[in-house]
Amino acid sequence: AQSVSQHNHHVILSEAASLELGCNYSYGGTVNLFWYVQYPGQHLQLLLKYFSGDPLVKGIKGFEAEFIKSKFSFNLRKPSVQWSDTAEYFCAVTMNSGGYQKVTFGTGTKLQVIP
Amino acid sequence: DAGVIQSPRHEVTEMGQEVTLRCKPISGHNSLFWYRQTMMRGLELLIYFNNNVPIDDSGMPEDRFSAKMPNASFSTLKIQPSEPRDSAVYFCASSFSHGTGSYNEQFFGPGTRLTVL
Repeated sequence: AQSVSQHNHHVILSEAASLELGCNYSYGGTVNLFWYVQYPGQHLQLLLKYFSGDPLVKGIKGFEAEFIKSKFSFNLRKPSVQWSDTAEYFCAVTMNSGGYQKVTFGTGTKLQVIP
Repeated sequence: DAGVIQSPRHEVTEMGQEVTLRCKPISGHNSLFWYRQTMMRGLELLIYFNNNVPIDDSGMPEDRFSAKMPNASFSTLKIQPSEPRDSAVYFCASSFSHGTGSYNEQFFGPGTRLTVL
């Protein structure tokens, strides 16, 4: 069965520190990859997505992610975090399953940025 | 577009009562998802519709849960009878799927916070 792993459950950083959140998936076929962010008390919103082409994807608010096919990874990065980046981050993978989409979310990583 | 609309935003009910959550997806989207989010279990996919047809309901916890999508602009998630362990935030999301091609991102509604006493 397909799975998505986010190994960091809770990350605490100081403002201006660099961020990298890991995401690994298990599926050998073609995938679409997403990172979503959920700010406290809000719903999930799209940060960035990868369908094809340049494996380095830039999203909103200075976030980027790199798709490394050989490692089945899609790690999220930001060079310098801000207090307002405090949120929960979800990696999601969508794949074709019998002609329909099969979407799997990771368990999420809670990021706390300390001023 | 107003985005995905969910109602009610908050629901407090007593154990044993029937609860109905409602969702209006974004116009033109052909896929609709119901999720449940709790501190203990995180984000769980309950059921997924494509063109109003349930495709994957393997995440529905038990027979007390049922979901319908009578048309492209409306879906319900019903819990009968409700139990305290059903307390969670229930999100509805919609997206547009290009058949066997790319699957676009999901747009989430604001969620319904359900408390079962």
